[in-house]
Amino acid sequence: EPEVTQTPSHQVTQMGQEVILRCVPISNHLYFYWYRQILGQKVEFLVSFYNNEISEKSEIFDDQFSVERPDGSNFTLKIRSTKLEDSAMYFCASSGNRDSYEQYFGPGTRLTVT
Amino acid sequence: DAKTTQPTSMDCAEGRAANLPCNHSTISGNEYVYWYRQIHSQGPQYIIHGLKNNETNEMASLIITEDRKSSTLILPHATLRDTAVYYCIVRVDDNYGQNFVFGPGTRLSVLP
Repeated sequence: EPEVTQTPSHQVTQMGQEVILRCVPISNHLYFYWYRQILGQKVEFLVSFYNNEISEKSEIFDDQFSVERPDGSNFTLKIRSTKLEDSAMYFCASSGNRDSYEQYFGPGTRLTVT
Repeated sequence: DAKTTQPTSMDCAEGRAANLPCNHSTISGNEYVYWYRQIHSQGPQYIIHGLKNNETNEMASLIITEDRKSSTLILPHATLRDTAVYYCIVRVDDNYGQNFVFGPGTRLSVLP
């Protein structure tokens, strides 16, 4: 069964550094999403992306964040200058084949900012 | 504003049916009921969704009341691997770009 994959599984970075989280969505899906989950808290929406542009974004998704689909398979989330409070699990999801609106999530990348 | 309310936690004996309730008294006519679950710190996993009719798939059954103000997710024979946080989410399926809004969910513990 096709699945969303994410790399790396765990990323440790120092405050102020840039990080890029990578995702490979399900191949025939057209919509892509990033969510995050701070330890012990709810899953929160960050951004949705379609046709090479952002469809929707939350208040969390400020100028420090950007997304890109650099080629036909990868979908990336970049955090320009990480802060301690960016430490969280980051989940990529995809959806949007013809018949379904449900989103399929990847296993997540645990980002630890020190 | 929370669109759904769920119990904080529930226990279920292994092998028995797990019935997880969800109240969505302000649901609109075009809003679907979705269920996801999250096992430990893994990514949320889609389980099932429905609009009005009861639905069943290989994972679970979804029973929606006639007035659509509440629903129940049924795991017919719970196993230890079903221990997870279960999220009930309502949303309109008119925009692929629309996100899912996750609440705190119900923490289901399946006990041996």
